[in-house]
Amino acid sequence: DTEVTQTPKHLVMGMTNKKSLKCEQHMGHRAMYWYKQKAKKPPELMFVYSYEKLSINESVPSRFSPECPNSSLLNLHLHALQPEDSALYLCASSLQLGSYEQYFGPGTRLTVT
Amino acid sequence: AQSVTQPDIHITVSEGASLELRCNYSYGATPYLFWYVQSPGQGLQLLLKYFSGDTLVQGIKGFEAEFKRSQSSFNLRKPSVHWSDAAEYFCAVATGNQFYFGTGTSLTVIP
Repeated sequence: DTEVTQTPKHLVMGMTNKKSLKCEQHMGHRAMYWYKQKAKKPPELMFVYSYEKLSINESVPSRFSPECPNSSLLNLHLHALQPEDSALYLCASSLQLGSYEQYFGPGTRLTVT
Repeated sequence: AQSVTQPDIHITVSEGASLELRCNYSYGATPYLFWYVQSPGQGLQLLLKYFSGDTLVQGIKGFEAEFKRSQSSFNLRKPSVHWSDAAEYFCAVATGNQFYFGTGTSLTVIP
């Protein structure tokens, strides 16, 4: 099973809302990633978790708050977002942090109104 | 500075024609190399990867890629393109704990 699942598929939220994105993998991978992708652009790395600990934070605004409750789950909590945060949010996982291939979920299409 | 370059922003090919998408990288050592494909509104799917060994690697969906150390290139090829191959293609490089994507090449397939 090389599947990474993400929920919800689509999300529309106002600038004062609080919502969460969820990601799950059952491949036994110990590294998990959040990316933000704008149209026609490559994914931009936001956060990396390694063995459930935050390993990399690419200077992401605090209105994005990641959480890794266990080795299979990764959440991204959203609060007070801006319209420019509208994008496709991709979750990925890899065997470990390092030079390993990453497996991506289908993404959550987020629209901030 | 480390970088991954995909020189072609957009390529159009006829169905049944051959395809080559270019990827160049600049790193001190041989990195690990990947090609991903992304259909509209979808996540990225791994097509193939190169870690070491045979420089010609086979992937899914009939794609192959060749690593050329002398040219710092990892070009993706397919002998006969199908309409379903229309998508965005990203080359990626992993070195240490860093994973870098190229800017992508958008492929259009015409009947």
